[in-house]
Amino acid sequence: DTGVSQDPRHKITKRGQNVTFRCDPISEHNRLYWYRQTLGQGPEFLTYFQNEAQLEKSRLLSDRFSAERPKGSFSTLEIQRTEQGDSAMYLCASSLEGTATNEKLFFGSGTQLSVL
Amino acid sequence: KQEVTQIPAALSVPEGENLVLNCSFTDSAIYNLQWFRQDPGKGLTSLLLIQSSQREQTSGRLNASLDKSSGRSTLYIAASQPGDSATYLCAVRALLGYSTLTFGKGTMLLVSP
Repeated sequence: DTGVSQDPRHKITKRGQNVTFRCDPISEHNRLYWYRQTLGQGPEFLTYFQNEAQLEKSRLLSDRFSAERPKGSFSTLEIQRTEQGDSAMYLCASSLEGTATNEKLFFGSGTQLSVL
Repeated sequence: KQEVTQIPAALSVPEGENLVLNCSFTDSAIYNLQWFRQDPGKGLTSLLLIQSSQREQTSGRLNASLDKSSGRSTLYIAASQPGDSATYLCAVRALLGYSTLTFGKGTMLLVSP
């Protein structure tokens, strides 16, 4: 399978704990995105990497959230001191840099986080 | 701020019907519009991407149109099948903040046999 891979698929944690998610993009894709989706809503942008550089962060990404993409390959998203409001599906997407008009995003299956 | 609205929120049709899903966006300054499919508890699968200079794109039984000036797109599904049951999301890539996609809330489609 050469698609976007996310791990774990599901994570249940207690409030206040730290969690980390991993995303492996399609191998030749140099752009990587994190989105968050809550029930009944469309995905909301969190952050974006081009190669290893984090170029944009949403205001949704509070200080408790940090994302990395060492060496421009896989990416991790860490949430510290989780809150119940962090419960959501965290989606990773990747794309191959092209023109803005034809760049297509490919999404992974997501990590469903439940904070108890 | 770009806002994307999808109508209807839910749609139930019998198998074999042709149907249209609607998407509207408030800022017509976009690079492209993309339609996605999402199965319950799963990620998104890209269906069609329409560039801002294009009017429509077709893939199999799917046809997506774009009227950028009026801020509207439609996804036409011909001869619907139970396997088409899913949530359909549209997303736009705006000229301002082009690195991100802005999504609608989706249309939940149920095709009954």
